[in-house]
Amino acid sequence: NAGVTQTPKFQVLKTGQSMTLQCAQDMNHEYMSWYRQDPGMGLRLIHYSVGAGITDQGEVPNGYNVSRSTTEDFPLRLLSAAPSQTSVYFCASNYRGLNYGYTFGSGTRLTVV
Amino acid sequence: AQSVTQPDIHITVSEGASLELRCNYSYGATPYLFWYVQSPGQGLQLLLKYFSGDTLVQGIKGFEAEFKRSQSSFNLRKPSVHWSDAAEYFCAVALDAGNNRKLIWGLGTSLAVNP
Repeated sequence: NAGVTQTPKFQVLKTGQSMTLQCAQDMNHEYMSWYRQDPGMGLRLIHYSVGAGITDQGEVPNGYNVSRSTTEDFPLRLLSAAPSQTSVYFCASNYRGLNYGYTFGSGTRLTVV
Repeated sequence: AQSVTQPDIHITVSEGASLELRCNYSYGATPYLFWYVQSPGQGLQLLLKYFSGDTLVQGIKGFEAEFKRSQSSFNLRKPSVHWSDAAEYFCAVALDAGNNRKLIWGLGTSLAVNP
């Protein structure tokens, strides 16, 4: 049981480049979320999905797009990378609601230069 | 505004000593409460949660937490710390267990363990 798999683990982008952070889970979780973690800011919700075909914005959605074509996958796209998007990104999944807590991926450390 | 406060940014304890990490929240109603641990370079792992019932909850790795409504607190404890407990600890709170968007995170407490 792999849990939540994020790729890549590290990435360096130039300002203006685009890229997709991948997230896949094999637990048949309905909910999937993307967070960014920054020093002194804690975890902030970017986007989340309650099921295939359904996504919604979180606290800091600007500059990011998501889609959920399957239950398993929830990619995060950076449209035009900016230095302010330098962060550690975590994907998390859970069953409907928070009753079982989240299962987190191991993160993607992104640097935008 | 709803908020979660972890007053201690950094704590250092000796191996074998007891540990208490503080978490306070500001909500009018009883929220759903969580503690997560993040080891260096890793994602977060759920330690324990409180939804209702017995206010003392047991979690993994020998941790426990106590919900105190009168103090709006959900402090995490461990009677004897091991070197492997060195990590970042996050408290999180939600009023709506069915809505991911409404999970509020504390800023974390970094725990160092001296041998």
